[in-house]
Amino acid sequence: DAKTTQPNSMESNEEEPVHLPCNHSTISGTDYIHWYRQLPSQGPEYVIHGLTSNVNNRMASLAIAEDRKSSTLILHRATLRDAAVYYCAQGIKAAGYKLTFGGGTRVLVKP
Amino acid sequence: DAMVIQNPRYQVTQFGKPVTLSCSQTLNHNVMYWYQQKSSQAPKLLFHYYDKDFNNEADTPDNFQSRRPNTSFCFLDIRSPGLGDAAMYLCATSPPRMTKPQHFGDGTRLSIL
Repeated sequence: DAKTTQPNSMESNEEEPVHLPCNHSTISGTDYIHWYRQLPSQGPEYVIHGLTSNVNNRMASLAIAEDRKSSTLILHRATLRDAAVYYCAQGIKAAGYKLTFGGGTRVLVKP
Repeated sequence: DAMVIQNPRYQVTQFGKPVTLSCSQTLNHNVMYWYQQKSSQAPKLLFHYYDKDFNNEADTPDNFQSRRPNTSFCFLDIRSPGLGDAAMYLCATSPPRMTKPQHFGDGTRLSIL
């Protein structure tokens, strides 16, 4: 079974970068690494995903280790609106695909 | 805006009384998912549909069933809810390719009396 682990919580100051680690040591060669974030009483919101190469979009960057057993989500300048639970997930091929989520990291942003 | 809509947002039912949660999408995605999320836990996949093809997770209790009458709608039926089934139920959709993300609704919070 896919197993994804994340720290329970992290704190950051506003306008500073946040680096969120994720371990996915059982990942297979075709599994994608996805990141979602969730605000209270809302569904998860897509942040970024990748396979092998580092990825950037308007929300964040994703750095993937060369052996793919870990990855880091980077929020370049945290704002108060970035306070949320961030989930790392493995995308596994299965009649389409399915996601297996890690336990999530609660990010607190201090003004 | 194209979206995933879950109704109702809050549902209260009695112990053992069947309940149905609904999900609709305007994204025209092939795949629809149902997740269970208990308090302070990550979403856990119950099952998913690829078009009409139903895919159950091995550890999903038989008490949970699903129907997908057409591309746009999917239902989660809980035949005899127990206290342990109180949770947020999330619906999501995606194209079948892993290169595309999943789109989540805002969930239905189910309470059991």
